[in-house]
Amino acid sequence: SYVLTQPPSVSVAPGQTARITCGGNNIGSKSVHWYQQKPGQAPVLVLYDDSDRPSGIPERFSGSNSGNTATLTITRVEAGDEADYYCQVWDISSDHKVFGTGTKVTVL
Amino acid sequence: EVQLLGSGGGLVHPGGSLRLSCAASGFTFSSYAMNWVRQAPGKGLEWVSAISGSGDTIYYADSVKGRFAISRDNSKNTLYLQMNSLRAEDTAVYSCAKGYSTSPLVYFDYWGQGTLVTVSS
Repeated sequence: SYVLTQPPSVSVAPGQTARITCGGNNIGSKSVHWYQQKPGQAPVLVLYDDSDRPSGIPERFSGSNSGNTATLTITRVEAGDEADYYCQVWDISSDHKVFGTGTKVTVL
Repeated sequence: EVQLLGSGGGLVHPGGSLRLSCAASGFTFSSYAMNWVRQAPGKGLEWVSAISGSGDTIYYADSVKGRFAISRDNSKNTLYLQMNSLRAEDTAVYSCAKGYSTSPLVYFDYWGQGTLVTVSS
């Protein structure tokens, strides 16, 4: 089955840039979506199709996808960005949706 | 405003059954795929199942295939998950999530709050 690997945690100071990677075999050929989940809350879509932002998501959130790695970048990090982040793809070979292992972003 | 209200969770013995429901409002239910996603306590997200807007295309995760059945009643704007032969490892918060289009392949654009299923003797 298709596996998406994320770093368990990323720590960043306020105002700095956080980069969260999502590794998968030839992930660059797939559309990657990203979700933010704060404690006790339902996940929220923050990026879809690699780099598109839903309405209401700040421009500070951006994404890229190439080769074996997709990346979610959060610039000018704020305390409110502290959350778990998950990448997700559709694996056509198995007809399964797959989530990444998740990354906890801590704002120092 | 899109609202997804899950219900039906509870405590069940191993080998037992449970049916979850998700009542949807704020959008044309039949035009969008729906999904079930679960999250075990302290763990990450796991996709469980997806169904197209019309209900004619269904997908399951390997971990639940043959034991769970997803369905929808578009006249009642309600999504269901029938869970049979439950195991301890099925213990999780189960949430329904709306797809971006009628295709079950697309991403989730709205999530419900979820209902807790505990499988224990």
